[in-house]
Amino acid sequence: SYVLAQPPSVSVAPGKTARVTCGGNNIGSKSVHWYQQKPGQAPVLIIYYDANRPSGIPERFSGSNSGNTATLTISRVEAGDEADYYCQVWDTTTEHPVVFGGGTQLTVL
Amino acid sequence: EVQLVESGGGLVQPGGSLRLSCAASGFTFSSYNMMWVRQAPGKGLEWISYISASRSFIYYADSVKGRFTISRDNAKNSLFLQMNSLRAEDTAVYYCAREGPVAYYCDHWGQGSLVTVSS
Repeated sequence: SYVLAQPPSVSVAPGKTARVTCGGNNIGSKSVHWYQQKPGQAPVLIIYYDANRPSGIPERFSGSNSGNTATLTISRVEAGDEADYYCQVWDTTTEHPVVFGGGTQLTVL
Repeated sequence: EVQLVESGGGLVQPGGSLRLSCAASGFTFSSYNMMWVRQAPGKGLEWISYISASRSFIYYADSVKGRFTISRDNAKNSLFLQMNSLRAEDTAVYYCAREGPVAYYCDHWGQGSLVTVSS
């Protein structure tokens, strides 16, 4: 089955740019979606189809996907961005279509 | 406003059964594919089951196949997860989620229902 690899943690100072990666075999050929989950809350979709933001998601959140790595970029990081971030793809070649990465805990220093 | 509200969680002994429900509102439930995703304490998200709008396609993760059954009642705007032969490793918060209209991602999630399997 398809595997997505995320770094367990990323740290960034307020106002700086954070990048959360999501690695997978030829992931650039798939569509990647990103979720933000704050403690005690349900996940929230923040990026879909590699780079699209749902309404209400700040422009500071952006995504890209190429080769073997997809990247979630958070510009001008704020304390409120501290959360876990998960990437997800849909594997159409299997009967286990929904694949999540292991998650990355973003810490704002 | 789209709302998904899970219920039915609780404490159950190993080997026991539990049925989760997810009440949907604010959208045409019968037009959307749905799924269940769980999260063990301190762990990441794990997809466990998917059902298409018309029930034509149903999938399960290997970890629950043969023990869990997903179903839906489009007339009652409800999604269900029947969980049998529960194990300690099934302890988790269970989320119902709606597949987005463009497909392949979850655009709305419920608040979750905690299932604890313990003697």
